[in-house]
Amino acid sequence: GENVEQHPSTLSVQEGDSAVIKCTYSDSASNYFPWYKQELGKRPQLIIDIRSNVGEKKDQRIAVTLNKTAKHFSLHITETQPEDSAVYFCAASMANTGNQFYFGTGTSLTVIP
Amino acid sequence: GAVVSQHPSRVICKSGTSVKIECRSLDFQATTMFWYRQFPKQSLMLMATSNEGSKATYEQGVEKDKFLINHASLTLSTLTVTSAHPEDSSFYICSARRVAEQYFGPGTRLTVT
Repeated sequence: GENVEQHPSTLSVQEGDSAVIKCTYSDSASNYFPWYKQELGKRPQLIIDIRSNVGEKKDQRIAVTLNKTAKHFSLHITETQPEDSAVYFCAASMANTGNQFYFGTGTSLTVIP
Repeated sequence: GAVVSQHPSRVICKSGTSVKIECRSLDFQATTMFWYRQFPKQSLMLMATSNEGSKATYEQGVEKDKFLINHASLTLSTLTVTSAHPEDSSFYICSARRVAEQYFGPGTRLTVT
């Protein structure tokens, strides 16, 4: 089955700096890679996703890159703000098959004002 | 769009009793829903995949007789924790699949005394 690894487990950055979270996956059949943000005691919220036919996707301060050959994808947050502090999860799945998501172990991001 | 509700948000029950948690997709139909368990500061652990009109698929190590799942309609899945014990105390989150994406409910905090 699929195995998703996520690094780092914790990350602290100064407000205004950039944050990068990296994930690797093992199954080359995976073709959909979402990122979720989860604040304490709340539900995970989809913040950005990318499909395997695209190498990069950007939405304002958030971007995701995908390297299919190396089987890794990364989340980039620029100009970080205190409200970006949360736990971020990456996931991998095979879209449109009904298959489950395989989640990474999470990254706790703290943005220091 | 893509709103998922979950009820109740918090429940306290006595050891030996059963608790039912409901997960509803409010503005879309979901043939597939997922049930997760999340321990503090940990990732989402998939318990089972719930398919409308058919039996749920349980992950290895999850007792199907203890965690009963019913997906009776395209907008409702229920998880019943039977004969609950203190070790079942946890945060339970459902999600509903729409095309490739999963949208999460707000979670249910179960405390068994």
